[in-house]
Amino acid sequence: QVQLVQSGAALQKPGASVKISCKTSGYTFINYYIHWVRQAPGQGPEWLGMINPNGGSTSSGPKWLGRVTMTRDTATNTVYLEVRGLTSDDTAVYYCASAQGGGDFYLDHWGQGTLVTVS
Amino acid sequence: IVLTQSPATLSLSPGERATLSCRASESVNNYLAWYQQKPGQAPRLLMYDASTRATGIPARFSGSGSGTDFTLTISSLEPEDFAVYFCQQRRNWPPLTFGGGTRVEI
Repeated sequence: QVQLVQSGAALQKPGASVKISCKTSGYTFINYYIHWVRQAPGQGPEWLGMINPNGGSTSSGPKWLGRVTMTRDTATNTVYLEVRGLTSDDTAVYYCASAQGGGDFYLDHWGQGTLVTVS
Repeated sequence: IVLTQSPATLSLSPGERATLSCRASESVNNYLAWYQQKPGQAPRLLMYDASTRATGIPARFSGSGSGTDFTLTISSLEPEDFAVYFCQQRRNWPPLTFGGGTRVEI
């Protein structure tokens, strides 16, 4: 079955960076986009960007340009999200999600989430 | 595109019908999805393209609408349906955007 397994919780100081991994299995890695979404406590989800594992091209929301980097490793079927210049506003659960059954932009398989605390 | 969901909270009993609204600040055609989220869990895709149920989603969930006004209906609430529901558009990206959510509570 499709699985996305993310790295563990992280505690970072303001101004630091965090890198989160998302290891996929159960499907052909290069066939489906991976999106990154975060959710602050009590808030709706917020989209950070997406990566096409087939070639590695990325797209981010304008808010995130210059602050986030998404990469992938086809040898291990893993994608990575790096967020730089962390502030307390970046404290949130970060999810990776795959868009498969509904097309490229509907997220139907999710990782378990990675809590990033900036303090 | 800003998505506004209403009401913020819906208080209902099992067996009742739930009607949730999502309004877009401009037309998204039918490029709208609905997600369900329970505490401590990732969101779960329920509907996409406004009215297509995702794999494994029960028939009591239905979606309708186009343009700027959309509705998610749960015909008869089961105990496991009490959760938070979000809408999401893909018409105009980047970015993909989500609504603020509707909590369906007992």
